[in-house]
Amino acid sequence: DTGVSQDPRHKITKRGQNVTFRCDPISEHNRLYWYRQTLGQGPEFLTYFQNEAQLEKSRLLSDRFSAERPKGSFSTLEIQRTEQGDSAMYLCASSLLAGENTGELFFGEGSRLTVL
Amino acid sequence: RKEVEQDPGPFNVPEGATVAFNCTYSNSASQSFFWYRQDCRKEPKLLMSVYSSGNEDGRFTAQLNRASQYISLLIRDSKLSDSATYLCVVTLGGYNKLIFGAGTRLAVHP
Repeated sequence: DTGVSQDPRHKITKRGQNVTFRCDPISEHNRLYWYRQTLGQGPEFLTYFQNEAQLEKSRLLSDRFSAERPKGSFSTLEIQRTEQGDSAMYLCASSLLAGENTGELFFGEGSRLTVL
Repeated sequence: RKEVEQDPGPFNVPEGATVAFNCTYSNSASQSFFWYRQDCRKEPKLLMSVYSSGNEDGRFTAQLNRASQYISLLIRDSKLSDSATYLCVVTLGGYNKLIFGAGTRLAVHP
């Protein structure tokens, strides 16, 4: 499968614990995005990488959240001291840098976080 | 005010019906416009782009009115397989930063 893959698919944790999600984008894609989606809502933008550079972070991304993309390949999203409000589906997407803004992001199946 | 607002759902329609979804966006600097489809418990996928001149892809027609900051999607001859959530999407910035609406759920019944 050459699509975007995310791991783990499901994570249940207790409040206050740290969690880390991994995203492997489509191999030739140099743009990588993290979104968060809760029930009944559309995905909310969290952060964006072009290659290894993190170029934008949403104000939704508090200081408990950190994302990295070492070497411009896979990315990790870490949430420290989780809170119940962090429960959501965390979606990773990738796209190819192109002259035209095609609007097509390729999403992974997501990592569902439940904080008890 | 939300950046992208959509019709509240769900829309329950019989097979063969025509259904229209509306969407408004607040930022006049929005550059590009799209409809994404999201099946239950699945990831969003691009359905179609939306152009100022209007565009059609089979049973689907998308329209954009930049002056009114309004986007629409028309589905003709609905199929059971069209049941999904339809997400209105705009881009801001030059790097495909997609801003999603909350989505409108469509349920097509026999």
